[in-house]
Amino acid sequence: NAGVTQTPKFQVLKTGQSMTLQCAQDMNHEYMSWYRQDPGMGLRLIHYSVGAGITDQGEVPNGYNVSRSTTEDFPLRLLSAAPSQTSVYFCASSLTAPYNEQFFGPGTRLTVL
Amino acid sequence: KNEVEQSPQNLTAQEGEFITINCSYSVGISALHWLQQHPGGGIVSLFMLSSGKKKHGRLIATINIQEKHSSLHITASHPRDSAVYICAVSTGAGSYQLTFGKGTKLSVIP
Repeated sequence: NAGVTQTPKFQVLKTGQSMTLQCAQDMNHEYMSWYRQDPGMGLRLIHYSVGAGITDQGEVPNGYNVSRSTTEDFPLRLLSAAPSQTSVYFCASSLTAPYNEQFFGPGTRLTVL
Repeated sequence: KNEVEQSPQNLTAQEGEFITINCSYSVGISALHWLQQHPGGGIVSLFMLSSGKKKHGRLIATINIQEKHSSLHITASHPRDSAVYICAVSTGAGSYQLTFGKGTKLSVIP
């Protein structure tokens, strides 16, 4: 099993550009989530999904969109990148909910100029 | 919203020392996670617990539900234990969000 995969590993964008961060898991997990990690702050939840077709907002959803058309994939879209979105992004999955063991992807380091 | 506090923020230890990292939270939970993040690396799950104590190798995690407090202990610390240790809590039935502490940065010196 590959576990949780994320692409790309690194990305540089200009202000106003859009892009999609990819996340996929091959463990048949229902729960998937996106976090951002900034210096001096804990991981913060952007969006999450409890199954295909079901998504909801987390703590910091503004400027981001998600969709969950399959169990395996949970892409995160930046609509119009801003310097404040410079961060490291982690995707995670678990069997059904946050109280199950969490599996994290390797992260994407995003810089917005 | 659950508030999660970790202490200490930074910890330096000599190889072989016994290490304790603490996590306190403000609202009752369904589960607490301890995670490890090596420099420049990804995040791995060490423990998930809702009561009592768990042990894996040199790592021990305990939780006191009444006091809303958990500890992560490392016995016979080694330089490879140098990492950031993160506590995260799931608040309860119907909540699908994890709340994270800011992490404890551990450096173990040979």
